[in-house]
Amino acid sequence: AQSVTQPDIHITVSEGASLELRCNYSYGATPYLFWYVQSPGQGLQLLLKYFSGDTLVQGIKGFEAEFKRSQSSFNLRKPSVHWSDAAEYFCAVLSRGNTPLVFGKGTRLSVIA
Amino acid sequence: NAGVTQTPKFRVLKTGQSMTLLCAQDMNHEYMYWYRQDPGMGLRLIHYSVGEGTTAKGEVPDGYNVSRLKKQNFLLGLESAAPSQTSVYFCASSFLIRPGSGSGANVLTFGAGSRLTVL
Repeated sequence: AQSVTQPDIHITVSEGASLELRCNYSYGATPYLFWYVQSPGQGLQLLLKYFSGDTLVQGIKGFEAEFKRSQSSFNLRKPSVHWSDAAEYFCAVLSRGNTPLVFGKGTRLSVIA
Repeated sequence: NAGVTQTPKFRVLKTGQSMTLLCAQDMNHEYMYWYRQDPGMGLRLIHYSVGEGTTAKGEVPDGYNVSRLKKQNFLLGLESAAPSQTSVYFCASSFLIRPGSGSGANVLTFGAGSRLTVL
């Protein structure tokens, strides 16, 4: 079965600084990959997804992620963080058989002035 | 467009009581999932369904039952609630993703969550 590891439980960055959130997956083939964001007290919002093709995918709110097959990674990046980006971020993996959708434990992002 | 609707949004139960959470989607999605979210644990899959009349166990199925009698509904039941089941529950649904699928649509949709407290 596939699994997802988000090594960083909590990251703090300064507003305007760049951001990279790590995600590693374990799966025998190339899965479908997702990043979700959850603001406090809210549900989950899809930031971006990778199905196939170009390994650099663009998402909403200025986020991007790069799929690296050799590293089994799908790291999320943003060149300049805004205070409103403070939230919890979840990486998720879906097998090519479409089940089940598995989430990492999340990375909480704090943004300081 | 309602998307995925979860009811109720909040519920307080006493230990041993039973209840059902309802998830309804109006997007004709094949797949539906129930997750629970606990601090530091992320989202853990309880049960899921790949179609009407089918269900399967996820990572943490004990103490829960589910049913998918209609394609648009996925019910999560607690027969005898325990304090360990205090959590926020999320339902999600999706289409079957096929190779070559375009990247335009948001094919995985989540409900707003249901906060359950068991005393």
